[in-house]
Amino acid sequence: GDSVTQMEGPVTLSEEAFLTINCTYTATGYPSLFWYVQYPGEGLQLLLKATKADDKGSNKGFEATYRKETTSFHLEKGSVQVSDSAVYFCALEVIGNEKLTFGTGTRLTIIP
Amino acid sequence: GAGVSQSPSNKVTEKGKDVELRCDPISGHTALYWYRQSLGQGLEFLIYFQGNSAPDKSGLPSDRFSAERTGGSVSTLTIQRTQQEDSAVYLCASTPERRLNTGELFFGEGSRLTVL
Repeated sequence: GDSVTQMEGPVTLSEEAFLTINCTYTATGYPSLFWYVQYPGEGLQLLLKATKADDKGSNKGFEATYRKETTSFHLEKGSVQVSDSAVYFCALEVIGNEKLTFGTGTRLTIIP
Repeated sequence: GAGVSQSPSNKVTEKGKDVELRCDPISGHTALYWYRQSLGQGLEFLIYFQGNSAPDKSGLPSDRFSAERTGGSVSTLTIQRTQQEDSAVYLCASTPERRLNTGELFFGEGSRLTVL
């Protein structure tokens, strides 16, 4: 079946540090890949997506590149801020499946 | 508001009792999902409604779990004879019919269920 494995948390970084959250996947078909974010007290929201190999999704300074050869979609940001503290979920959707498969989430805390 | 609304936000119940969780999707969204978020387990798909089609119930963990969607809008997730392992945050999400594989689900804030 489809599955997503992401970096275990929690992750604590200082402000302006470089961030990487690893995500790898297994899919029964050709997937689209996503990162969702859950800020404290809020619902999950889409952060970025990529729908085919070598595509790069980006938003709010975050980036992730769809790597088919390594079945990965790692999330990166060059300089994190306190406001980036949240739980980050990697997810995939196989075309025609009509539902997202999520990873376990990674809690990120940024300290000033 | 304009977002997905869930109620109650918190529910504490005793083992063996039945509970109902409600979801009001975004107006005009025809697809509705229920997910469960357990500690350390990520988001687990439960059920999916799309318009008038038969729901995809493949994620429901047991026959104690059921869901319905009345009039293509509000949905209720019912858990009968609750067990302690049912304790989790139950998330509802909606999306327009023609998602074209964008994957953008709009989530509510969830209903936290605690079974004592």
